[in-house]
Amino acid sequence: AQSVTQLGSHVSVSEGALVLLRCNYSSSVPPYLFWYVQYPNQGLQLLLKYTSAATLVKGINGFEAEFKKSETSFHLTKPSAHMSDAAEYFCAVTNTGFQKLVFGTGTRLLVSP
Amino acid sequence: NAGVTQTPKFQVLKTGQSMTLQCAQDMNHNSMYWYRQDPGMGLRLIYYSASEGTTDKGEVPNGYNVSRLNKREFSLRLESAAPSQTSVYFCASSENPRTSPTDTQYFGPGTRLTVL
Repeated sequence: AQSVTQLGSHVSVSEGALVLLRCNYSSSVPPYLFWYVQYPNQGLQLLLKYTSAATLVKGINGFEAEFKKSETSFHLTKPSAHMSDAAEYFCAVTNTGFQKLVFGTGTRLLVSP
Repeated sequence: NAGVTQTPKFQVLKTGQSMTLQCAQDMNHNSMYWYRQDPGMGLRLIYYSASEGTTDKGEVPNGYNVSRLNKREFSLRLESAAPSQTSVYFCASSENPRTSPTDTQYFGPGTRLTVL
């Protein structure tokens, strides 16, 4: 069975600091990986996705993630945090012929001035 | 385009009551999904519909039923609500994941349900 683990339910950074949100996956076959963001009282929005075309994936709002097979990781980064980045971030995996996403438990990003 | 819409936004039920959560999408997507979100547990798939006329169980289907009314609409029914079904429910849709497993899922704004 496939799964994802997100280390840290809360991550706090200062505005302008590096953002690093961790995601490790478990899958018996090559996975497809996604990062979604959820702003307060809203639905989820896709940030970026790994489709096997490139290991470094760039997404919206300056975020990027690198697929590392040897580490079974897909960590999300942003060089400089902005106050508007405060939200909850979910990593998700699928590898079936049909898209049944399995989500991690989420990481809430707090950005302080 | 409105994207994915859900009604109602909020609902309070008493144990044993029934209700139907409505979802509609205007993107001509083939596949639709129902998730529940609980604190510390992420999102879990309840049911999904790969295409019009088909539905399948997800990870946590017990206590729920679904109907894919047409290509646009996918409803979730709680026949006899229980406090354990207190949650935020999200509907999502994607274009054609059978041929493209990396299709983006587009989410609605959610329904916050409380069962007393």
